Amino acid sequence: DAKTTQPNSMESNEEEPVHLPCNHSTISGTDYIHWYRQLPSQGPEYVIHGLTSNVNNRMASLAIAEDRKSSTLILHRATLRDAAVYYCILRDVGSSNTGKLIFGQGTTLQVKP
Amino acid sequence: KAGVTQTPRYLIKTRGQQVTLSCSPISGHRSVSWYQQTPGQGLQFLFEYFSETQRNKGNFPGRFSGRQFSNSRSEMNVSTLELGDSALYLCASSSDLDRRNEKLFFGSGTQLSVL
Repeated sequence: DAKTTQPNSMESNEEEPVHLPCNHSTISGTDYIHWYRQLPSQGPEYVIHGLTSNVNNRMASLAIAEDRKSSTLILHRATLRDAAVYYCILRDVGSSNTGKLIFGQGTTLQVKP
Repeated sequence: KAGVTQTPRYLIKTRGQQVTLSCSPISGHRSVSWYQQTPGQGLQFLFEYFSETQRNKGNFPGRFSGRQFSNSRSEMNVSTLELGDSALYLCASSSDLDRRNEKLFFGSGTQLSVL
């Protein structure tokens, strides 16, 4: 499975945008880029995913580099509730391992009021 | 629609005992996966079940096992508990209908403490 690299921690001020980077230089053509986050005392929750084009949903935006070797999760206005560990994960759409996610250490996002 | 339900929420056992954890997936979801989360190793994949068959297995000893029932509910069992088995055990379910847009939905986990 291709590996991702994320900063261990980041800080943000409330109501400001946050850009969480992820490097995945060994990504393959069939790998989708997924983001999950884990709030304190909860299981991980899905945030967003994409293949090549930038993606937007009600939670966040995903910006994917043209060569797909990196991506950025964008929270447009951070709230205190967004403080969590954010995981960038590659999923091979061609694999039958739909239930298997390889989690790295993720980025711990701290949001300051 | 109810989310993924895991029971019990907390469990305390002693070394050498065995434990069974339960997971009820979201209605209609046929894939159930289990993960172990510890401060040192992070989130690690244990195994995945689909239509009552184990489809994938992580790198854990044979003391860790699981099964899935015809209603997609799943249980995992850990025999001969060791102190290192203390962890948060998470269950996730997915519909397994469209691999390109597959999302996992996680429960809140069972916190197991082995004394």
